[in-house]
Amino acid sequence: DTEVTQTPKHLVMGMTNKKSLKCEQHMGHRAMYWYKQKAKKPPELMFVYSYEKLSINESVPSRFSPECPNSSLLNLHLHALQPEDSALYLCASSLSGSSYNEQFFGPGTRLTVL
Amino acid sequence: AQKVTQAQTEISVVEKEDVTLDCVYETRDTTYYLFWYKQPPSGELVFLIRRNSFDEQNEISGRYSWNFQKSTSSFNFTITASQVVDSAVYFCALSEAKGGSQGNLIFGKGTKLSVKP
Repeated sequence: DTEVTQTPKHLVMGMTNKKSLKCEQHMGHRAMYWYKQKAKKPPELMFVYSYEKLSINESVPSRFSPECPNSSLLNLHLHALQPEDSALYLCASSLSGSSYNEQFFGPGTRLTVL
Repeated sequence: AQKVTQAQTEISVVEKEDVTLDCVYETRDTTYYLFWYKQPPSGELVFLIRRNSFDEQNEISGRYSWNFQKSTSSFNFTITASQVVDSAVYFCALSEAKGGSQGNLIFGKGTKLSVKP
């Protein structure tokens, strides 16, 4: 299984809602990533989990809260988002998080904040 | 400072033409890794190739080839006999071995390739 899956594919939420994005991989990878991608821009790194511990948090607002329940799962909890948070949220995984490991990406969740 | 520059924002070609996507990078590390990813309209980034800084051999995979030149800090990507299915945004990315940024991918802004029938 060489897939990274993400649910939901699309999400529309109001600014007062609480929702979660989910990501799963069964490749035995020990590093998982959240990226945010705005239209016509490259992906921007948000968080990195390495061996189930948060290793990088790229100064992301606290309305985004990551969680790594186990080595195969990664969640992104959303609360009190702003319309400018509307974007494609991509999850990725890599073997160990080392700089030479390629990252495998999921199809993303297209988030719209009203 | 680390940086990846893809100067071509958009390229449009007709099917069967060859096309080269340019990538220039900046890094102070002596050990680093370069990647190319393809992002079709569906949104998922697809890994195409990794090249490490010690290996300047060019690589060919079917219609795809990559030219890595450390002297010019470039890692260019050529598609031979392009097809409509090659239409996508292509990202070049850099990953450094040191400096607390291990595993971080530094992306270029991407080149949108449109292949017309």
